[in-house]
Amino acid sequence: QSVLTQPPSVSGAPGQRVTISCTGGSSNVGAGYDVHWYQQLPGTAPKLLIYGDSNRPSGVPDRFSGSKSGTSASLAITGLQVEDEADYYCQSYDSSLSARVFGGGTTLTVL
Amino acid sequence: QLQLQESGSGLVKPSQTLSLTCAVSGGSISIGVYSWSWIRQSPGKGLEWIGFIYHSGGIYYNPSLKSRVTISVDRSKNEFFLNLSSVTAADTAIYYCARDYIGGDSRAFGIWGQGTMVTVSS
Repeated sequence: QSVLTQPPSVSGAPGQRVTISCTGGSSNVGAGYDVHWYQQLPGTAPKLLIYGDSNRPSGVPDRFSGSKSGTSASLAITGLQVEDEADYYCQSYDSSLSARVFGGGTTLTVL
Repeated sequence: QLQLQESGSGLVKPSQTLSLTCAVSGGSISIGVYSWSWIRQSPGKGLEWIGFIYHSGGIYYNPSLKSRVTISVDRSKNEFFLNLSSVTAADTAIYYCARDYIGGDSRAFGIWGQGTMVTVSS
């Protein structure tokens, strides 16, 4: 059971918009700690997609965006492409656990 | 550009110690204000942060693993290490090393190694 809760799977058609939620609590997301998002393509290491709630590292397309409100964060992907099929993970810090924590991951299927 | 490469024992017997090395190339492990992390990924528990060593030498462990984990660094070799003692089948996972990405006040896991699979089995 992950500290940060994500839906196991989401899907969308090419060109559509999808969102992935990441729900935490008062000791992590709700406490104001940064939320980061990672994309993991099959058989590869995770790649940083969004840092500090809503910032993109250089090279990440602006189709990817992040937001946070209260105890939840979201990753939005617009103009869905087949190559976006991957697992997506959120990550933050939890002060009760004194640990960096991850969500359980969400598998995105592009129909 | 900076690259990280994990290596070490791929098969470890139960109750023994898992030992991994992360070799850093394309940059010095001693330069900057980064932290150098170990993270693992198992089918049953997803991604789990194990711990990191700061540029200053400070070391922080996940409390859930703290009693069994040691992270160390050899700056002369540009490498850092993970030892995990008293392993069980639950420690079977892909182990990654990673370096911070720093953006403003924010730190995320920015650069990852390709990962190395470790299986705990007799």
